[in-house]
Amino acid sequence: QAVLTQPSSLSASPGASASLTCTLRSGINVRTYRIYWYQQKPGSPPQFLLRYNSDSDKQQGSGVPSRFSGSKDASANAGILLISGVQSEDEADYYCMIWHSSASVFGGGTKLTVL
Amino acid sequence: EVQLVESGGGLVQPGGSLRLSCAASGFSFSSYGMNWVRQAPGKGLEWLSYISSSSSNIYYADSVKGRFTISRDNAKNSLYLQMNSLRDEDTAVYYCARGQWRDVFDIWGQGTTVTVSS
Repeated sequence: QAVLTQPSSLSASPGASASLTCTLRSGINVRTYRIYWYQQKPGSPPQFLLRYNSDSDKQQGSGVPSRFSGSKDASANAGILLISGVQSEDEADYYCMIWHSSASVFGGGTKLTVL
Repeated sequence: EVQLVESGGGLVQPGGSLRLSCAASGFSFSSYGMNWVRQAPGKGLEWLSYISSSSSNIYYADSVKGRFTISRDNAKNSLYLQMNSLRDEDTAVYYCARGQWRDVFDIWGQGTTVTVSS
């Protein structure tokens, strides 16, 4: 079982909200991890969006709009990237990441399509 | 402007070697840890290796341990990845990324493409 699991795709309408999940493997408690989120558009390198651990321990990437925010769902053992007011320019691949056992681990990525 | 520029990619036969470089500019390179991350065609991101600012701490992913070697030259503002015993599955775009240990990768290069094929 992968350390981080992301749905492979998600679609959203312009102006709607999109919630992207990153589920941690059983036995790895989301409460104890900082979750990092990256956005990657076709033909471009990834860009750091935000880091979320708690409301008192979070970091927004430079120039990243406030409509991108992070949270956790402890009951689902998952990190969440919320995009409020989705725009066409948000169509991209989104990757979550944690540092686990002396290594950085990425989720498989979610392709967000803006319909 | 803060910038990372990778070079050294290309076509190499299985079992061959290649050395990637990453030139940094616009920031104090010697103050930052650095990483290599790769992305196979149509696939997700895979972290490969980390080196601390002074080269005193180095870590590798299991997939490349023993085959790849990370290094840096702070006088030249450069990061390197020596890749030996290359396999078909090493075919990917290789990115260098600035980031301290167990922290964010905040600056990424544009990547260099490595193709392992006979």
